[in-house]
Amino acid sequence: EAEVAQSPRYKITEKSQAVAFWCDPISGHATLYWYRQILGQGPELLVQFQDESVVDDSQLPKDRFSAERLKGVDSTLKIQPAELGDSAMYLCASSLEWGLQETQYFGPGTRLLVL
Amino acid sequence: SQQGEEDPQALSIQEGENATMNCSYKTSINNLQWYRQNSGRGLVHLILIRSNEREKHSGRLRVTLDTSKKSSSLLITASRAADTASYFCVRGSNYKLTFGKGTLLTVNP
Repeated sequence: EAEVAQSPRYKITEKSQAVAFWCDPISGHATLYWYRQILGQGPELLVQFQDESVVDDSQLPKDRFSAERLKGVDSTLKIQPAELGDSAMYLCASSLEWGLQETQYFGPGTRLLVL
Repeated sequence: SQQGEEDPQALSIQEGENATMNCSYKTSINNLQWYRQNSGRGLVHLILIRSNEREKHSGRLRVTLDTSKKSSSLLITASRAADTASYFCVRGSNYKLTFGKGTLLTVNP
């Protein structure tokens, strides 16, 4: 069964450092999403891509967060500099196409702890 | 902002019992989805109900949607220990999914 891959699974960093997360969606999936999930809350969408284009990054804190999907396949989410409040689970998801009826498939996530 | 507030926040039942989780939302939707999250399998899509549908079944799951009351419910019948997880009500609109805070379901063997 095809899965969304994410790495690393865990990341501990100090505040003001830079961190990067990687996601490889299910092969053939055109749409890719990054979510942030704070402990005890549901995931919140940060950015979504259709192929290599950003279709929504309205919730991405652009002063410190950046995301790219250069070849329309895998994607990287970067935080620079990291702040204590960034401690959370970062989830990547993909879907076959961009649309509300499409099922999103989630990866295992990267758990970030900022000290 | 979080939409799709689930009720209760936590639910503990015995294996074999039914579990019912409710969800309310504030704005219009295209569809309403339920996802499950546990440490073993991560976040998994369970079922989607469109705004023009009232009820949908999938295996031991039954979902209802009342758009006039802006509410939905998820029923899990004959629960199993493996159903222990957080269940999220997810509002689909404006080409986005908006998750609620979730209901933590514990099924005791």
